[in-house]
Amino acid sequence: GEEVAQTPKHLVRGEGQKAKLYCAPIKGHSYVFWYQQVLKNEFKFLISFQNENVFDETGMPKERFSAKCLPNSPCSLEIQATKLEDSAVYFCASSQSGDTQYFGPGTRLTVL
Amino acid sequence: GIQVEQSPPDLILQEGANSTLRCNFSDSVNNLQWFHQNPWGQLINLFYIPSGTKQNGRLSATTVATERYSLLYISSSQTTDSGVYFCAVEPRTGANNLFFGTGTRLTVIP
Repeated sequence: GEEVAQTPKHLVRGEGQKAKLYCAPIKGHSYVFWYQQVLKNEFKFLISFQNENVFDETGMPKERFSAKCLPNSPCSLEIQATKLEDSAVYFCASSQSGDTQYFGPGTRLTVL
Repeated sequence: GIQVEQSPPDLILQEGANSTLRCNFSDSVNNLQWFHQNPWGQLINLFYIPSGTKQNGRLSATTVATERYSLLYISSSQTTDSGVYFCAVEPRTGANNLFFGTGTRLTVIP
């Protein structure tokens, strides 16, 4: 597609439950990035992929967060055992060759 | 990591006024992008501008890479320009992800 698609738009989970978010990058883009926006103005990088390979995962809290980008499937970000502080908007972005990043509409995760 | 500072943090304008938003960064960059986050939370690409000057309608941007800053100019502001403007940079060394500033919240009043 011509836009980055993210599903669902909103996700509500009880503390300790699992959350799974999906991202379909723009067709032909090799790079996928996940960012977390908390407190409205603060963005945190989580992980990036080059095709199906992890490119950089320095931002991932590895004990509870995992992500995949498999061929012919949307990329996914999964949070096991969600905590209150995981409440945020999660953005996916894609780029063709590491230059301009195009962002999806985001998934708002609320952990109660 | 690289530091990205934006100023001013908040700006209130009368419709029709012009404004300049500033982004300072602490290290050399491969990539610099300006985004507008509208009141619905969408992040809209404004410019990819690691150096030089670009214009798109009422908006223009200039990046002086050697002095590590970028400026976003908004002319003849409209109420639909309201939202938060973010500058984000990719450092020249290390990772290819973006580091965001804390944004400038713009409110345009009729």
